[in-house]
Amino acid sequence: AQKITQTQPGMFVQEKEAVTLDCTYDTSDQSYGLFWYKQPSSGEMIFLIYQGSYDEQNATEGRYSLNFQKARKSANLVISASQLGDSAMYFCAMREEETSGSRLTFGEGTQLTVNP
Amino acid sequence: KAGVTQTPRYLIKTRGQQVTLSCSPISGHRSVSWYQQTPGQGLQFLFEYFSETQRNKGNFPGRFSGRQFSNSRSEMNVSTLELGDSALYLCASSLAGIYNSPLHFGNGTRLTVT
Repeated sequence: AQKITQTQPGMFVQEKEAVTLDCTYDTSDQSYGLFWYKQPSSGEMIFLIYQGSYDEQNATEGRYSLNFQKARKSANLVISASQLGDSAMYFCAMREEETSGSRLTFGEGTQLTVNP
Repeated sequence: KAGVTQTPRYLIKTRGQQVTLSCSPISGHRSVSWYQQTPGQGLQFLFEYFSETQRNKGNFPGRFSGRQFSNSRSEMNVSTLELGDSALYLCASSLAGIYNSPLHFGNGTRLTVT
């Protein structure tokens, strides 16, 4: 079974609008971390935001926020006020304390295109 | 603070050759991980080193190996290269190799095997 599922291969958004990128996960661990990364066409993987399994509040970092619904096992990324520079591939990833140790398990990614 | 540095950025090798990739983590980070990214398989975990010890290993053949030095710098070696080894190899470091510690990635080394 897929541990991280990103159901949107591609998403389009108008500049200055908000967009939500979906991510669902599967784990039996109690302690885990959820991460979002941005990968522009140049290839580097940029860390955006982190949500811990015990965190009661949704994480926020500037224009990025994470909509964490633990019971539904979802961790959607919300980008507010989209900019042209936000066009990139976005990956949701998980790190589990017991099951996978230190490794990061990635979803297949969502290609976001911001239109002017 | 300097980020994760990977060298070289690009590499072209021939089947059967071997290659060594280098990674310098963020200062103070003791955990270094390696990932392979291909269009077909996505991002796959290779291995993780912490304090010079391999702590975790992905499902790759023994041709893929690595090591970590006392200054936390890491190298990854691939011997007897195959066409399928063509990929973007990403190195990541974290302060501690635990579940709530974010990984910070380098720019990657793009390996092409001909």
